[in-house]
Amino acid sequence: KAGVTQTPRYLIKTRGQQVTLSCSPISGHRSVSWYQQTPGQGLQFLFEYFSETQRNKGNFPGRFSGRQFSNSRSEMNVSTLELGDSALYLCASRRTSGSDIQYFGAGTRLSVL
Amino acid sequence: QKEVEQDPGPLSVPEGAIVSLNCTYSNSAFQYFMWYRQYSRKGPELLMYTYSSGNKEDGRFTAQVDKSSKYISLFIRDSQPSDSATYLCAMKGGSQGGSEKLVFGKGTKLTVNP
Repeated sequence: KAGVTQTPRYLIKTRGQQVTLSCSPISGHRSVSWYQQTPGQGLQFLFEYFSETQRNKGNFPGRFSGRQFSNSRSEMNVSTLELGDSALYLCASRRTSGSDIQYFGAGTRLSVL
Repeated sequence: QKEVEQDPGPLSVPEGAIVSLNCTYSNSAFQYFMWYRQYSRKGPELLMYTYSSGNKEDGRFTAQVDKSSKYISLFIRDSQPSDSATYLCAMKGGSQGGSEKLVFGKGTKLTVNP
């Protein structure tokens, strides 16, 4: 069974640009969560989608947005990139809303220059 | 005060040692507690999942939760070089499988030396 797949694995952008990251959850998983991981702040929750609806949102500015498609694949977008957005962005999927067990992808490492 | 505090280490131990990793938290609503292991250039993977106070054992790993002290621990017995990784605690309130967000500690980097 394939795991959570995130693309691309690495990305370099410049300030002011925007970026879209993609996440394919484990087959049959309908919930997808996104996290930002930095050395200073650790793992911070961005948002969760379930059945194409955003169910929860972390304390990030509106420049961070996401969506989920009918096949459960998810994308997150960051507009007007800032240097501080450099981080590892992790996606996690879980089977249903009745399970707390999340399976993480390997992440997309974003560097903003 | 952050909701979850975790000593970042680094922690270096010889092979075979007993390792103790800890987190403290401030939110008394947390009821579900997890430990994740993250290898370099990988995503976190779930190691232990516990509800409320008590102990849970799985092979060489034991998780302890003391809600009265707002303190959780992960013990690794007979540590191996393959245990070298960053260990993250995570916790949430609400109901099992609910939409409440997971709150993570910053992680403790562990190195087990052969």
